[in-house]
Amino acid sequence: EPEVTQTPSHQVTQMGQEVILRCVPISNHLYFYWYRQILGQKVEFLVSFYNNEISEKSEIFDDQFSVERPDGSNFTLKIRSTKLEDSAMYFCASTGNRNTGELFFGEGSRLTVL
Amino acid sequence: QKEVEQNSGPLSVPEGAIASLNCTYSDRGSQSFFWYRQYSGKSPELIMFIYSNGDKEDGRFTAQLNKASQYVSLLIRDSQPSDSATYLCAVGNQFYFGTGTSLTVIP
Repeated sequence: EPEVTQTPSHQVTQMGQEVILRCVPISNHLYFYWYRQILGQKVEFLVSFYNNEISEKSEIFDDQFSVERPDGSNFTLKIRSTKLEDSAMYFCASTGNRNTGELFFGEGSRLTVL
Repeated sequence: QKEVEQNSGPLSVPEGAIASLNCTYSDRGSQSFFWYRQYSGKSPELIMFIYSNGDKEDGRFTAQLNKASQYVSLLIRDSQPSDSATYLCAVGNQFYFGTGTSLTVIP
């Protein structure tokens, strides 16, 4: 069964460092998403991506964040100058049709900022 | 800001009972609505989606949508201990998620 894969599963970094979280969406999907979930809190929308550009982003997704699809398979989230409050689980998701539903999630990348 | 609110939990029901989960949303233009389930430490997984006013049934699950009231609900019939999880309402093409309702089914 096709699946969304994320790497790394857990990353520990020092405050102020840059991190890159990687995702391989399902191959025939066209819409890609990043979400964040701080421990015990809601799943928060960060950004959606379609046709090699950002289609929508939330207030959370400020200049500290960027996304890229560097090749035909990977979808990355870069977080510059990490802060303590960036510690969270980051989920990548993809769908082939954003109107009919299933958003497939990866297992998440847990980011810990010290 | 597109708000999605869910009834506060946690919710506990005995095995075999009906669990009722509620969700309201602020964006009147939203056309698609989803219910996801998230087990502790896991990623969300889709239970069902609904686009039209009324009820939609899938096995033990029934989603209800009322666009005029900006309200969507999920009923779980014959609740099982394996249904114990956090249930997330998601709205729109960007899948804005609600805060989630934690459900515990007591054997």
